[in-house]
Amino acid sequence: GQQLNQSPQSMFIQEGEDVSMNCTSSSIFNTWLWYKQDPGEGPVLLIALYKAGELTSNGRLTAQFGITRKDSFLNISASIPSDVGIYFCAGLLRGGGSNYKLTFGKGTLLTVNP
Amino acid sequence: GAGVSQTPSNKVTEKGKYVELRCDPISGHTALYWYRQSLGQGPEFLIYFQGTGAADDSGLPNDRFFAVRPEGSVSTLKIQRTERGDSAVYLCASSLMHGVNEQFFGPGTRLTVL
Repeated sequence: GQQLNQSPQSMFIQEGEDVSMNCTSSSIFNTWLWYKQDPGEGPVLLIALYKAGELTSNGRLTAQFGITRKDSFLNISASIPSDVGIYFCAGLLRGGGSNYKLTFGKGTLLTVNP
Repeated sequence: GAGVSQTPSNKVTEKGKYVELRCDPISGHTALYWYRQSLGQGPEFLIYFQGTGAADDSGLPNDRFFAVRPEGSVSTLKIQRTERGDSAVYLCASSLMHGVNEQFFGPGTRLTVL
């Protein structure tokens, strides 16, 4: 099935560093979502974006919905060890016949060295 | 309240066997979704229920896969004549209604077909 292009695939950073990851698609979405998945758990929603150009923050997380509606990025500032995990972007097309069907990226594995 | 629960957490079976995976959604959530997550990939949509009916089963890979939700709550994903390629984590999610309502994911069932 279709998946979004997410990069980088993995990142190794030191505690306290900032992190940036992004997602692109050949298709337009009108909702972009960012999830975090810990080992043995399901994805948990971090941030949802509903408008092109929207910039939203949730604590140390900031995400933006690209103007073209085909991309999004997630920034994590001042990383801490518990930020370790896999981060997924997901797109959703509201208003269409399949406005429940999340399309996910392949994920970015984040490792934070204390 | 309780989140989405899935049983079993792990299932090992032999090629050709039949398996059932169960999902208990959050109480009151009318929409239920099944996703499949292969190693190193993001979740991929399988099927969506609104109430008791399968509103969209377009993600089911073939007719060996079937899912039911007879009373509009618990759902069972059934896989006949399992193949090694069916090995993956099967995630269930539920939401209050379909659309932009957040999908809450369960921890998944890790299926291994030997």
